Amino acid sequence: DVKVTQSSRYLVKRTGEKVFLECVQDMDHENMFWYRQDPGLGLRLIYFSYDVKMKEKGDIPEGYSVSREKKERFSLILESASTNQTSMYLCASSHIWGGEKLFFGSGTQLSVL
Amino acid sequence: DAKTTQPPSMDCAEGRAANLPCNHSTISGNEYVYWYRQIHSQGPQYIIHGLKNNETNEMASLIITEDRKSSTLILPHATLRDTAVYYCIVRIDNYGQNFVFGPGTRLSVLP
Repeated sequence: DVKVTQSSRYLVKRTGEKVFLECVQDMDHENMFWYRQDPGLGLRLIYFSYDVKMKEKGDIPEGYSVSREKKERFSLILESASTNQTSMYLCASSHIWGGEKLFFGSGTQLSVL
Repeated sequence: DAKTTQPPSMDCAEGRAANLPCNHSTISGNEYVYWYRQIHSQGPQYIIHGLKNNETNEMASLIITEDRKSSTLILPHATLRDTAVYYCIVRIDNYGQNFVFGPGTRLSVLP
């Protein structure tokens, strides 16, 4: 089975801290995505990447950056965490073709105090 | 990508078929209909997708109307583990394209 692994299930950080959320997939997928999910707002795309060192902004990239140095790993970076970035963060991956199947990780619940 | 409309919530008795509707009246000819579901505290999970014809797999059936303006996801024998939020998404099956998840339908399977 495809596995998308997110490094932490729960994370608590302070305002102003730099935060790294890591995501690793084991199926050699080209595409990787970062979403955040908030009650009443659904899933919103932050960034995605379709190749190593490539990145594209999603709908809400402000306050975030990403890194994809290796094909299997896609990192989300909060340069200076703020309380409005408290959210559930979901990583997903898919093949470049047959992109209908997005495989998601279990999510990281980030709380910024 | 076309917008979808789903009821916010539905109930279904355990063991009965769950029929989840989705309206996508502005769908264009090259847009597919996808269904995902999200069980509490987990990431969304792919269920099924189709273009024109009805589709069936081990999880569910997808019925798309002839004019493609609506579809129904059918879980033939719902179990308590099918309690989840179900998302209907329409999108062009293009390279690198995003999935836009709406609020979905919260399905509660009742014992």
